[in-house]
Amino acid sequence: EVQLVQSGAEVKKPGESLRISCKGSGYSFTSYWISWVRQMPGKGLEWMGRIDPSDSYTNYSPSFQGHVTISADKSISTAYLQWSSLKASDTAMYYCARHTAADDITDFDYWGQGTLVTVSS
Amino acid sequence: DIQMTQSPSAMSASVGDRVTITCRASQGISNYLAWFQQKPGKVPKRLIYAASSLQSGVPSRFSGSGSGTEFTLTISSLQPEDFATYYCLQHNSYPLTFGPGTKVDIK
Repeated sequence: EVQLVQSGAEVKKPGESLRISCKGSGYSFTSYWISWVRQMPGKGLEWMGRIDPSDSYTNYSPSFQGHVTISADKSISTAYLQWSSLKASDTAMYYCARHTAADDITDFDYWGQGTLVTVSS
Repeated sequence: DIQMTQSPSAMSASVGDRVTITCRASQGISNYLAWFQQKPGKVPKRLIYAASSLQSGVPSRFSGSGSGTEFTLTISSLQPEDFATYYCLQHNSYPLTFGPGTKVDIK
């Protein structure tokens, strides 16, 4: 069974750093890209960027480029989303999602359960 | 960037109604479009991929059509469990972009 299991909810202060994770299981982790999707409270879905776990090649949305870093450790089948300096506006639910292939821009067939990040002083 | 719009943004419907949601792309995206359903507090669920292919396990009352710049999601007979927000997603080019969503609630 394909599963994407994300790390737990986080409460952070502005300026702090954070890394959240997404662990894939039940499939060949390096055979499918992983994307991260943001959903701010009461708002819609926003694509942040994607990574190819086989070589860690990334693409970012211009809206998020430079604000977050997407990485992966294929040895433990885990993708990461990290911030070096959080802002209150980073408060949101973050989902990882598996693309349906690793050789083209595809949509998503499996999603993680979401990680709620709250940034507040 | 390709901009995605959806109409309506919200609608009220009754059980048994036929519901149609439209998604438009700011430029042609062939059939690189998917539809997702999201219920409050839940993870998005894939309904339709490649504009018109039904995801395995999704009821056949859901269907998708379109190509190029205009797409539709149709629910042939709305069921109580279908009250949710629906999003389209284009994956023709980077950055991937979602539509703003269509909330379907109970009339």
